[in-house]
Amino acid sequence: DIQMTQSPSSLSASVGDRVTITCRASQGISIYLAWYQQKPGKVPKLLISAASTLQPGVPSRFSGGGSGTDFTLTISSLQPEDVATYYCQKCNSAPSTFGPGTKVDIK
Amino acid sequence: EVQLVESGGGLVQPGGSLRLSCAASGFTFSSYAMSWVRQAPGKGLEWVSGIIGSGDRTYYADSVKGRLTISRDNSKNTLYLEMNSLRAEDTAVYYCARDGSGWYSEFWGQGTLVTVSS
Repeated sequence: DIQMTQSPSSLSASVGDRVTITCRASQGISIYLAWYQQKPGKVPKLLISAASTLQPGVPSRFSGGGSGTDFTLTISSLQPEDVATYYCQKCNSAPSTFGPGTKVDIK
Repeated sequence: EVQLVESGGGLVQPGGSLRLSCAASGFTFSSYAMSWVRQAPGKGLEWVSGIIGSGDRTYYADSVKGRLTISRDNSKNTLYLEMNSLRAEDTAVYYCARDGSGWYSEFWGQGTLVTVSS
């Protein structure tokens, strides 16, 4: 089975900083990669599908990139409302797998 | 508006059984694959099971294979998860989700808590 890893596991950054989270698949998955945001106590929300397709209503400061085994989620200017845990998910086939998550805080 | 409402969670003893339901509305249910995703207290997301729109094909995580069974009734717009031989490690909030063109979850329900404990 394909395993997903994320780095870092947590980060703390200042408002306005550029933040990048990395997701790696143990085998190539083309662009079949999704990113989710889960705020404390809330339901996960899909941010990006197909590695880089921003979902409707998601702020443009979020962007995704990569293909094959290495992917990134970038927040161009971190805002207080972006405090959350971010998960990647491989979605090329079932069974699917989530990454372990990256917790983002404000410094 | 897409709505997914889970029900059926609760407290069950180890080795026991439970059936979760997810009532869907606001879209053509039979046209979409659906998934169950769970989250243990304080832990990350775990994909549990998926089923295609027709219900003809089902998929499971290794951790639940043989114990959990996903199904759907397209005439009732309802997704199910039959849970047997439950273990303490199955304790989690179980989310029902509508999938997009791949196995990613576009819409999520609010979740239902399953607690396995004696």
